[in-house]
Parts: sequence; C-alpha cells; structure tokens
Amino acid sequence: EAGVAQSPRYKIIEKRQSVAFWCNPISGHATLYWYQQILGQGPKLLIQFQNNGVVDDSQLPKDRFSAERLKGVDSTLKIQPAKLEDSAVYLCASSGELTYEQYFGPGTRLTVT
Amino acid sequence: AQSVTQLGSHVSVSEGALVLLRCNYSSSVPPYLFWYVQYPNQGLQLLLKYTTGATLVKGINGFEAEFKKSETSFHLTKPSAHMSDAAEYFCAVTRGNQGGKLIFGQGTELSVKP
Repeated sequence: EAGVAQSPRYKIIEKRQSVAFWCNPISGHATLYWYQQILGQGPKLLIQFQNNGVVDDSQLPKDRFSAERLKGVDSTLKIQPAKLEDSAVYLCASSGELTYEQYFGPGTRLTVT
Repeated sequence: AQSVTQLGSHVSVSEGALVLLRCNYSSSVPPYLFWYVQYPNQGLQLLLKYTTGATLVKGINGFEAEFKKSETSFHLTKPSAHMSDAAEYFCAVTRGNQGGKLIFGQGTELSVKP
C-alpha cells in the first residue's frame, strides 16, 4: 500500500512570493490533514478535510493561506504572500473511516528568505 | 482545551539502558493518546496508541506506554535502547468528538550513546 505522497520535498522562496504544496493521501482515506511544524515544536493543525469538505480550519491564517481538495482525493495548500515566519515543515496526513490513526507524508520543508 | 506536555526536550541514554519519555495531558473527556516518532527529514510514524481497553499498550520496535488516568500521564518506555532509536518523539491527544484533530506536545529528542 502506497503511503501519503507530498511534493515538493524542499522549497526556498523570498518573502512576499507565493508557493503551493501538493498532497496525495492513502487511497480510500476520506480524511486529510495539513499540519505546520515549526522547528523545535510539535505539529499544529492548519486544516482538516472530510472528503472535499472542510471540517476544521480554525488555525489557518486565511489572509494568506488557502487549501482545497476539489475531488476528495489530493489536496493543495497555498501561501500567498509568504512571510519569514512561514518557514516550517508542512506535513500532510490522512486517515480512514472510523479510525483515529493518522498516516503522515514526508513533509515539505519551506524556507522563506 | 486539550494540551500535551512532554517533560524534557532532550533525553540522552546509553545503548542498552531504559528509555523513559514523559507525557502528561489535560482533557475534560476521556482522551485518545498517541506516540509518534520522527526521524530526520521524514514524516511522523505511529509508534502506539491508546483508545479504550487495556491501559498498557505495546507498539512497534519494542516500545510500550501506560495510560494512567489518575496521573493524566502516558509515558513511553523501552527496556533497552538501541542506536536506531535516536529520533524525535511526539506525544499527541485527541478526543472522539474532535474528528481526529491531534494536539501534539513539543517533542522530546532522544539521543543514544554507544
């Protein structure tokens, strides 16, 4: 069974530029999560999708961050414009029905200069 | 609100020694508890979980954890450390009515000395 795929693995941009991250969850997993992990901290949930609907985006900075999961499968997280404090690892995770086990992708390390 | 506290951001043990990583949580309802491990430049891998039932749970790579409601703790242990155990470990909590949203502790970096 293939795991959660993410791309790119690394990205370096200048502040005020835009960037997009892609995630493909485990096949059949209805729930998809995006987490932000700042160096030295635990991951923090940005947004949670159930199929293609948003369950929780209370921690998403909506003035600059957006995410979509149009067909209930893969998802894109966008930052526009980026700030220095957005430097972090962005983790995508997915889980199946009736389970709280989340499977994580390798993450995208974003550096904003 | 739920929260997780991991005592000690860095723990160092000798190879073959006991590993003990501490985790305390706060939750107003029965929690579901997890330990994840993160190797450098990789995502998080589930070590073990507690949802209901037996309070001593066994996970992969010889790790286990015990849910102690009276102490609001879920400490991770391994009887004998191996060099390959060196990594970052995260404790996390969720509630059934939160749809799976995980609240993570700040992490504990485990070093294993030869």
